[in-house]
Amino acid sequence: GIQVEQSPPDLILQEGANSTLRCNFSDSVNNLQWFHQNPWGQLINLFYIPSGTKQNGRLSATTVATERYSLLYISSSQTTDSGVYFCAAMDTGRRALTFGSGTRLQVQP
Amino acid sequence: DSGVTQTPKHLITATGQRVTLRCSPRSGDLSVYWYQQSLDQGLQFLIQYYNGEERAKGNILERFSAQQFPDLHSELNLSSLELGDSALYFCASSVAPFAEAFFGQGTRLTVV
Repeated sequence: GIQVEQSPPDLILQEGANSTLRCNFSDSVNNLQWFHQNPWGQLINLFYIPSGTKQNGRLSATTVATERYSLLYISSSQTTDSGVYFCAAMDTGRRALTFGSGTRLQVQP
Repeated sequence: DSGVTQTPKHLITATGQRVTLRCSPRSGDLSVYWYQQSLDQGLQFLIQYYNGEERAKGNILERFSAQQFPDLHSELNLSSLELGDSALYFCASSVAPFAEAFFGQGTRLTVV
């Protein structure tokens, strides 16, 4: 099945800093999503982005499907951005999302 | 609020017992997925249903079973529980198999 790798595993930022999270996947995808898991455990949808670029406020994402990677950009980070960011991909064979191991982000005031 | 409802939110039970977790998908969604999140295994796909039929299986143990009912809600049954089954269990739904999936709040299961 598809392999999903995320980097870096951990990231500590000062409030106001920018960051880039990376997701590499091993096969062609029909679905790629970014999630934020908050400290209460909720998985919050950030982007559905099997290809192309999207922006939502301070967050944006780009997926280059031909090169099998996706990037999540966080600008002007806030303490509420803390948590774990997951990338998940779905290939045609499995019909379910395979999750990466996540990037744990801590934004300090 | 994702629109996916899971009950109960928390569950504490003893080893050897059986529990049932319930999921109501978003209105109009036909696909339901179950995932397990544990500290050592991360988020693991268990099983998927589409319009009442099982469509894909992941790392689901034989002690676990699931079904999707005609009203599209789904239940995950966990039996002969072991300490290692303690985890956060998520249900997700989507309108179609490759469409955007939305996750419920999860059921936190603690086996003592």
